[in-house]
Amino acid sequence: AQSVTQLGSHVSVSEGALVLLRCNYSSSVPPYLFWYVQYPNQGLQLLLKYTSAATLVKGINGFEAEFKKSETSFHLTKPSAHMSDAAEYFCAVTTNTGGFKTIFGAGTRLFVKA
Amino acid sequence: NAGVTQTPKFRILKIGQSMTLQCTQDMNHNYMYWYRQDPGMGLKLIYYSVGAGITDKGEVPNGYNVSRSTTEDFPLRLELAAPSQTSVYFCASSYSGEASSEQYFGPGTRLTVT
Repeated sequence: AQSVTQLGSHVSVSEGALVLLRCNYSSSVPPYLFWYVQYPNQGLQLLLKYTSAATLVKGINGFEAEFKKSETSFHLTKPSAHMSDAAEYFCAVTTNTGGFKTIFGAGTRLFVKA
Repeated sequence: NAGVTQTPKFRILKIGQSMTLQCTQDMNHNYMYWYRQDPGMGLKLIYYSVGAGITDKGEVPNGYNVSRSTTEDFPLRLELAAPSQTSVYFCASSYSGEASSEQYFGPGTRLTVT
């Protein structure tokens, strides 16, 4: 069975600083990995996804994530935080054996200070 | 396209009451899902459907029922509401059941049971 662990329920950065949100997964078969973002009072929307085509994945709004099999990680980064990045971020995993059942992490709330 | 729409946005129920959360998508997606989101817990799958007339249980189905009479609609029924069902409910859909397929989420229904 697969699982996802997001390290840190809250992360606070200053505007212009590096954003790093950590995600580790567990899967006995090759995983598909996703980052979703949830803005206040909205549903989740896809930021980016890893489907084995390339280990460095670029998403919307300047975010990117790198799949590291040896570390079972898929950390999300952005070089320079913007106030509009304040939101909750969810890492998620699926596998071909798990079909369409997506496992979500507990989420990390990002705060951006002026 | 409106995407995935949910009604109502907010609802307060008394213990023992029943209600139906509505979900509609206009993307002609075969796969639809209901999740509940509790603080610090990520999203948990309640029920899913792979097409009209076909539904199945997810991780936390107790106390809920679903139906899928059309491709567009996937209502979630709560019978005999309990305080443990206080949560935010999200409906989602995807084009396929492939593990690489992203999900599209509605804006959510915030339910309080008192």
